[in-house]
Amino acid sequence: NAGVTQTPKFQVLKTGQSMTLQCAQDMNHEYMSWYRQDPGMGLRLIHYSVGAGITDQGEVPNGYNVSRSTTEDFPLRLLSAAPSQTSVYFCASSRSTDSGNTIYFGEGSWLTVV
Amino acid sequence: TQLLEQSPQFLSIQEGENLTVYCNSSSVFSSLQWYRQEPGEGPVLLVTVVTGGEVKKLKRLTFQFGDARKDSSLHITAAQPGDTGLYLCAGVANFGNEKLTFGTGTRLTIIP
Repeated sequence: NAGVTQTPKFQVLKTGQSMTLQCAQDMNHEYMSWYRQDPGMGLRLIHYSVGAGITDQGEVPNGYNVSRSTTEDFPLRLLSAAPSQTSVYFCASSRSTDSGNTIYFGEGSWLTVV
Repeated sequence: TQLLEQSPQFLSIQEGENLTVYCNSSSVFSSLQWYRQEPGEGPVLLVTVVTGGEVKKLKRLTFQFGDARKDSSLHITAAQPGDTGLYLCAGVANFGNEKLTFGTGTRLTIIP
């Protein structure tokens, strides 16, 4: 069972470089999101999407772009990397049930900006 | 922005002891979730509580949602080394809105 797949697992960037973190899910979930996790700050929502063609900003969107051309894929783009974007990034997808949302996270992408 | 504060931030106890982790907010949530995260992995959902005052049990773990739906607790009985991990609470502001607000986390270490 693939679930939510993120690539790459590890990446080192130089300040000013751009890159894309890939995220794919095979559960036909409408809702997908990107979080970053920093020590002592929990997970903070960057961008989210409620379906193909629809995206919106989360709590910390600056410096990141997203697109949702298909239900399965939700890439996160860093346009000009900064050291403040050094973090662990998690992609998630979810579905609603009668008892609430069931959210599945990828294994994370460790990004270091030097 | 709704904030969720967890306490304690770090907890290290001996195997077999009991412990409680708290998740508090000044905001009301329609539901609250608890996750456990192990090193190098993403968070994994443990439970969702929806009704004020609700109590759910998952083996040795007991989860409670506050009556006012502003706080929650996680109680572990007879802790085992396998319980070691980062515990995160997360609140949903409005039912059907799938945006989560995460707490700051409690890093739990169980010493054999």
